Amino acid sequence: DTEVTQTPKHLVMGMTNKKSLKCEQHMGHRAMYWYKQKAKKPPELMFVYSYEKLSINESVPSRFSPECPNSSLLNLHLHALQPEDSALYLCASRLGPENNEQFFGPGTRLTVL
Amino acid sequence: TQLLEQSPQFLSIQEGENLTVYCNSSSVFSSLQWYRQEPGEGPVLLVTVVTGGEVKKLKRLTFQFGDARKDSSLHITAAQPGDTGLYLCAGEGYGQNFVFGPGTRLSVLP
Repeated sequence: DTEVTQTPKHLVMGMTNKKSLKCEQHMGHRAMYWYKQKAKKPPELMFVYSYEKLSINESVPSRFSPECPNSSLLNLHLHALQPEDSALYLCASRLGPENNEQFFGPGTRLTVL
Repeated sequence: TQLLEQSPQFLSIQEGENLTVYCNSSSVFSSLQWYRQEPGEGPVLLVTVVTGGEVKKLKRLTFQFGDARKDSSLHITAAQPGDTGLYLCAGEGYGQNFVFGPGTRLSVLP
């Protein structure tokens, strides 16, 4: 298995909803990333997990809550989002600090109404 | 703060032409990646360059990392419509952090 998968592909939610995004990889990668990408902009880093521990939080609002239950799985829990949070949410993984290749999933297109 | 700039931002060319895209920074990066992204999809890794002065070739694509590891270029020979897409460079900064450039949107017309 040489890919990063993300579910769901599309998500529409209201501002009072709670939802979760899921990312999986079975390549034995020990670093996993969440990025947010707005239209016509590059990806912006949100969180980095390294060996299942949160190593980087780029001052992301607390309505976004990451979770890494094991080395293959990364979740992003969403609560009380705003319409401006609508974006493509990308997950990526990397073998580890000694390897500089990062592989992306297809993304989840999130719309907040 | 480490920042990357890309030029040009937009490029529209005819099939068969050559082109070069540039990625520049005032910061040194331990490695630099080039990605291609289609609308609504995740970026696909094309290449990683690590050593200053390094040149890598991927079929019609040639990637170069500057001697000082602050800049990079992507050259495409005989562009084809299938090369159309958003080309992103990303530099590896501190603590496994990746910083992306704003991208170059390439359109190759048949």
